[in-house]
Amino acid sequence: AQSVTQPDIHITVSEGASLELRCNYSYGATPYLFWYVQSPGQGLQLLLKYFSGDTLVQGIKGFEAEFKRSQSSFNLRKPSVHWSDAAEYFCAVGALLTGNQFYFGTGTSLTVIP
Amino acid sequence: EAGVTQSPTHLIKTRGQQATLRCSPISGHTSVYWYQQALGLGLQFLLWYDEGEERNRGNFPPRFSGRQFPNYSSELNVNALELEDSALYLCASSRTGGNTGELFFGEGSRLTVL
Repeated sequence: AQSVTQPDIHITVSEGASLELRCNYSYGATPYLFWYVQSPGQGLQLLLKYFSGDTLVQGIKGFEAEFKRSQSSFNLRKPSVHWSDAAEYFCAVGALLTGNQFYFGTGTSLTVIP
Repeated sequence: EAGVTQSPTHLIKTRGQQATLRCSPISGHTSVYWYQQALGLGLQFLLWYDEGEERNRGNFPPRFSGRQFPNYSSELNVNALELEDSALYLCASSRTGGNTGELFFGEGSRLTVL
């Protein structure tokens, strides 16, 4: 069965520190992988996506993620966090072969302290 | 270009009533997805519509239903409301055919069942 696991429910980092949000997936085919961000009271915005090719993908707002097939992981990273990065982050997996059904993790809430 | 719009923003109902939520996709998008975001549960896939037809359905009871209109807008109906239906309902749209896999989300409709 397809699933996405985000093991960290909540993470707190200091402004300027590096960040890594973990995502593990279970999928029976080559996955499409996504990271979305949700600011309070808003919908989800796409940060980055991986379909194929280079396993290190760059996204908006200085985020990047690395696809590791051997570990079934797609972790999100940022070298220096800004206070405006405080939000909820969702990892998702999907593919046309599964009826376009996208599976989302339960999210990681990020708090940034000054 | 207008994004995905949802209405109403907030909706309060009592148990047993019916709720109708509406979604207008981005112009040119023919696929509409509905997700339920309940507290602590992440995004749960409800329904996917494309070209006016229901293409896929998540693990929800039949009292969750919807439709897509010729202009590709969509509505989600929830009958016989239960307390646990209280959640943020998110609509997303995407292009069909050469689907990039990217979903564009609205800001959601918050349903409260008393």
